[in-house]
Amino acid sequence: AQSVTQLDSQVPVFEEAPVELRCNYSSSVSVYLFWYVQYPNQGLQLLLKYLSGSTLVKGINGFEAEFNKSQTSFHLRKPSVHISDTAEYFCAVSDLWGYALNFGKGTSLLVTP
Amino acid sequence: KAGVTQTPRYLIKTRGQQVTLSCSPISGHRSVSWYQQTPGQGLQFLFEYFSETQRNKGNFPGRFSGRQFSNSRSEMNVSTLELGDSALYLCASSLGGTSGGIPDTQYFGPGTRLTVL
Repeated sequence: AQSVTQLDSQVPVFEEAPVELRCNYSSSVSVYLFWYVQYPNQGLQLLLKYLSGSTLVKGINGFEAEFNKSQTSFHLRKPSVHISDTAEYFCAVSDLWGYALNFGKGTSLLVTP
Repeated sequence: KAGVTQTPRYLIKTRGQQVTLSCSPISGHRSVSWYQQTPGQGLQFLFEYFSETQRNKGNFPGRFSGRQFSNSRSEMNVSTLELGDSALYLCASSLGGTSGGIPDTQYFGPGTRLTVL
């Protein structure tokens, strides 16, 4: 089964510092990976996705992620965070048929001044 | 282009009642998926519809059902509500196809917050 594990439930970081949110995946076949962000009382917004091709994926709001097949990871990074990046971040993998997403438990990013 | 819309945004029901939630996808999208989000279980897939047909279903009891109309709008229904059904219900839409096996991206609505008392 396609699944992802988010290794950190909470990540506190100071404003303008770099951040990495970790995600490992489990899959025996081709894998399609996504990062979504959820701001308080809102739905999910797509940050970026890896479908194929270049392993370094750039997304919105200055985020990027690297697909690492040997380490089965898809970590999300940002070189300098802002207060407004405070939110819940979800890593997800598409199921075998592409009709459903299997989500990790989420990582709460808290950016403080 | 308008995004995915969900109505109502908030609902309060009592145990034993039933509830219907509505989702309007992005124009041109033919697939609608539903997810349940709770603090304990996280985000869980409920079911997916494409061209009025259910293509995939998650591991939820039969009290949870859905349907899709010819204009791609979708509804989900929960009968005999339980306290544990309190959750944020998210709807997502996509074009619905797979290009060479690569899935289309899902775009989410703001959700319906259901509280069961």
